[in-house]
Amino acid sequence: EVQLLESGGGLVQPGGSLRLSCAASGFTFSTYAMSWVRQAPGKGLEWVSIISGSGGSTFYADSVKGRFTISRDNSKSTLYLAMNSLRGEDTALYYCAKATDTGLTDYWGQGTLVTVSS
Amino acid sequence: DIQMTQSPSTLSASVGDRVTITCRASQSISSWLAWYQQKPGKAPKLLIYKASSLESGVPSRFSGSGSGTEFTLTISSLQPDDFATYYCQQYNSYPIFTFGPGTKVHIK
Repeated sequence: EVQLLESGGGLVQPGGSLRLSCAASGFTFSTYAMSWVRQAPGKGLEWVSIISGSGGSTFYADSVKGRFTISRDNSKSTLYLAMNSLRGEDTALYYCAKATDTGLTDYWGQGTLVTVSS
Repeated sequence: DIQMTQSPSTLSASVGDRVTITCRASQSISSWLAWYQQKPGKAPKLLIYKASSLESGVPSRFSGSGSGTEFTLTISSLQPDDFATYYCQQYNSYPIFTFGPGTKVHIK
């Protein structure tokens, strides 16, 4: 059974930093691209970033480019999102998600909440 | 960038109703479209992929159709468990994804 468990969320001041983690199990982690998707309170889904199975390719939404860094440790089956220069508009529930080889997002974690506020 | 729109943004329906939600892409995405259901406090759940393929375990009352720029999600007979928000997502431009803004299905 595929399981994705996010952690690392919390309250952070504007301009601060946070690192999210996503522990994966139930599939061969290194084979699949992984994404982060966020959802601001009461709002829709926003794709944030994706990383290839090897970790060699990364892509970002314009809204986070230059501030967020996605990475992975395939030996630990863990995905990361380092978030710097955080802003109020980054406040959201952050989901870790698995992609198939065609790019379909087929499994989601339960999310970790990031609140940016002074 | 490919933009996605959905209509309606909200709809009120009764148990047993046939419900149709439309998703439109700003350019052709072939059939690279997925539909997700999200309930409050829960992660999205995959319902339909490649525009019309039903995910394993999803009830057959859900169906998808369309290609190119216009797509529909149909619930043939709305059940109490179906009151939720539905999102479309294009993955034609993978590794870049875009979600639609969502359609909330309310109880009438």
